[in-house]
Amino acid sequence: ETGVTQSPTHLIKTRGQQVTLRCSSQSGHNTVSWYQQALGQGPQFIFQYYREEENGRGNFPPRFSGLQFPNYSSELNVNALELDDSALYLCASSLVGEFATNEKLFFGSGTQLSVL
Amino acid sequence: AQSVAQPEDQVNVAEGNPLTVKCTYSVSGNPYLFWYVQYPNRGLQFLLKYITGDNLVKGSYGFEAEFNKSQTSFHLKKPSALVSDSALYFCAVRDRGSGTYKYIFGTGTRLKVLA
Repeated sequence: ETGVTQSPTHLIKTRGQQVTLRCSSQSGHNTVSWYQQALGQGPQFIFQYYREEENGRGNFPPRFSGLQFPNYSSELNVNALELDDSALYLCASSLVGEFATNEKLFFGSGTQLSVL
Repeated sequence: AQSVAQPEDQVNVAEGNPLTVKCTYSVSGNPYLFWYVQYPNRGLQFLLKYITGDNLVKGSYGFEAEFNKSQTSFHLKKPSALVSDSALYFCAVRDRGSGTYKYIFGTGTRLKVLA
């Protein structure tokens, strides 16, 4: 087990709605990143939060936003849902520090979002 | 633009035989390289990484990978496959100069180990 939990595991929404996905990081990790994994594809980087600030973003529109809280939890919010947003959303936590040799992402099991 | 290619959608191998899952990358500079494994209904699990040093990297569950700079490859290997190794394997790269953990993943290779 990675110590990273995500909720809910499955979610069904309709086009145009808004959704919030939640993640509880491994204790002590200061960084959380979110990935979108479409069916048959590899995960794609959405954004990263370090010490509660967004410090990196992939090619996703502003309707994808996030928050990171001091208690190691985080949220991914998606507004104005589109059919193409249907995917597995993965949260990954890590401890960013001085030594690259320690680098490792710990993934949660994901939230499967279906947009109808 | 950075990219990762996993040329095989699926690899089939008999139990006890050696396995290789291929990965090539295109990235400026010297990247960090990773392999992750995904089991059904689970998130990705870290297998191994190349940061610097010895080109042969050993990881979890008996897996290893060889970094080849001239061929820009990072193939995953295991001397003797187990049925329990059957899963989806992802190769990933990260720009060494990036301040973020923005990983570029390949599309994945499904490994099927036959008993």
